[in-house]
Amino acid sequence: QSALTQPPSASGSPGQSVTISCTGTSSDVGGYNYVSWYQQHPGKAPKLMIYEVSKRPSGVPDRFSGSKSGNTASLTVSGLQAEDEADYYCSSYAGSNEVFGTGTKVTVL
Amino acid sequence: QVQLQESGPGLVKPSETLSLTCTVSGGSVSSGSYYWSWIRQPPGKGLEWIGYIYYSGSTNYNPSLKSRVTISVDTSKNQFSLKLSSVTAADTAVYYCARDMTTVTNWVWAFDIWGQGTMVTVSS
Repeated sequence: QSALTQPPSASGSPGQSVTISCTGTSSDVGGYNYVSWYQQHPGKAPKLMIYEVSKRPSGVPDRFSGSKSGNTASLTVSGLQAEDEADYYCSSYAGSNEVFGTGTKVTVL
Repeated sequence: QVQLQESGPGLVKPSETLSLTCTVSGGSVSSGSYYWSWIRQPPGKGLEWIGYIYYSGSTNYNPSLKSRVTISVDTSKNQFSLKLSSVTAADTAVYYCARDMTTVTNWVWAFDIWGQGTMVTVSS
């Protein structure tokens, strides 16, 4: 199984929005509605931000939203804040396996 | 609330077996019927799913690591463990244990609780 493809970097100014893509295949992203997104600050464990494409765990701000179209899932962070600067990873169920994305570093300008 | 803590040697010699344990506190590894996973992250690189175990002992592994991986569970100690054999420098990484929200009756396939991670270096 190959890693899902994410852009290496994305950026935006405070208050703006940034969208990160996560491209897979019909065997993973396109085949199931089990896409999740994780935020990872340096030296810390990843934190679940979105699951089942668009659901937010309790405590995650509604500035974070997810969607999917075909083989590509997306994470949008609206109203960027300084604390949103982090690495973001997508993940998808891939038929008894789980596969992560390559990761995107989000910079708040 | 449920917390996870990894433990094990921080240095392993090439060709030997890496062994790590994840201790579950604030809950039971056999309650809630969750799946329990190991995930790793080489320095400066992305996340890689290694495999999962169900409290009953059923497992599934990343095909790329399957020949070298064994995940087991000890419900009496409230722990699950990872063994990775024939390690090389490419296995140097931070290793995380994590709880998958998926249960037998409710598929979610997302990791909601993570340990802090433990760095394992493969070197002679």
